[in-house]
Parts: sequence; C-alpha cells; structure tokens
Amino acid sequence: AQKITQTQPGMFVQEKEAVTLDCTYDTSDQSYGLFWYKQPSSGEMIFLIYQGSYDEQNATEGRYSLNFQKARKSANLVISASQLGDSAMYFCAMRENTGNQFYFGTGTSLTVIP
Amino acid sequence: EAQVTQNPRYLITVTGKKLTVTCSQNMNHEYMSWYRQDPGLGLRQIYYSMNVEVTDKGDVPEGYKVSRKEKRNFPLILESPSPNQTSLYFCASSLTGLTDTQYFGPGTRLTVL
Repeated sequence: AQKITQTQPGMFVQEKEAVTLDCTYDTSDQSYGLFWYKQPSSGEMIFLIYQGSYDEQNATEGRYSLNFQKARKSANLVISASQLGDSAMYFCAMRENTGNQFYFGTGTSLTVIP
Repeated sequence: EAQVTQNPRYLITVTGKKLTVTCSQNMNHEYMSWYRQDPGLGLRQIYYSMNVEVTDKGDVPEGYKVSRKEKRNFPLILESPSPNQTSLYFCASSLTGLTDTQYFGPGTRLTVL
C-alpha cells in the first residue's frame, strides 16, 4: 500500500485565490511527522511546512497552512492568496517514528493563472 | 552557508560503466539519504544512513550501493548502470528527530545510454 497518496496530478488556480492540495497517508505508528515540499521548475526541493501527529493545532507558515485531519489520515496543504511564483510541483512526505525512512507522494503540479 | 552539495550535476554515461555521485553536507547531520525522482512516481528513497557505517535500504535499492565512512559524505555508486537508472537523483540530510526536515542537494541529472 502507498504510504503517501496525492490524487491530484495537476491543479490550476487563479492568482490571489486559495488552493488546497490533497494528501492522505497510511501508517500504523502513533507518532509521525508530515512535511510538504515545493519543487519549482528550477528543480530544487524547498521545505514548506511541518505537522506532527501529536500537534493539536494545524501548522501555519505565512501563506501556507496544513489542514490536518488525523482520523481521516489527511494532511492537505492550503495556499492562500496564490502568487505566480507558487507555480511548482508540491510533494507531501511522511517520517514515521519506527523505521527511519521518508516516504513521498507522487506530487501535484500547481499552475497559477494570472 | 549550510548546504548539501552533489557532484556532478549532470552526467551522461553508457551502460555498464561504473560511476559515483558524491554527496556532502556541512550541517553535522546524522541522517543522510538518496532519492530518485521519476515523472509520475515522485521521490523514492534508494538508501539512507542514520550515522557513520550504518546504512539501510530504501524502497528502490537494486542496482545501487552506498557507503558512509565519514559523517559528512554519502556517495552513491552505480556499479553497472543501466538505462532504467536514468533519473534525477537527490541527496538529502537531516537530524534524526521526527520533526526534522530534510535538506536537499541541487540534484544530479543522470542519463544512461
């Protein structure tokens, strides 16, 4: 079974609008960490936001927030007030407490339309 | 400047010719890892290392070798590259806590003919 599932291969959003990128995960660990990364067309991987499994509040970092629904095992990334520079691939990832692997989803390509 | 470096950034080679991609980090991180990125498949972990002389297989280790003789270096070795190893490769490092994000190198674009 896939550890991380991103079901939206491509998304479009109008500039200044908000967009939600979906991520569901599969783990039997009680303790785990969830990460989102951005990969612009230049190729580098940029860390955006982190959510711990025991965090009661949804994580926020500037225009990025994470809609964490533990019972549903979802960790959706919300980008508010989209900008043209937000056009990129976005990857959801998980680190479990047991074992030391990182698991990544297949990514969502976001295009911001002027 | 804190960074992960990889060399070379681009490499075109032929089937069967052994190659090494170097990775080095200057953040004193215990954890280092190699990924390959392929269209539609996302990033898949090849090998990872929790510390010097400790390495483990990720999800796609076949055809690759690694070594961790020093904390800062984690080279990826392809003993006999094949065309299906054509990919974009990333090295990453981090501390070992659950909350610790990985820092990625710039990537190595490998083409095996």
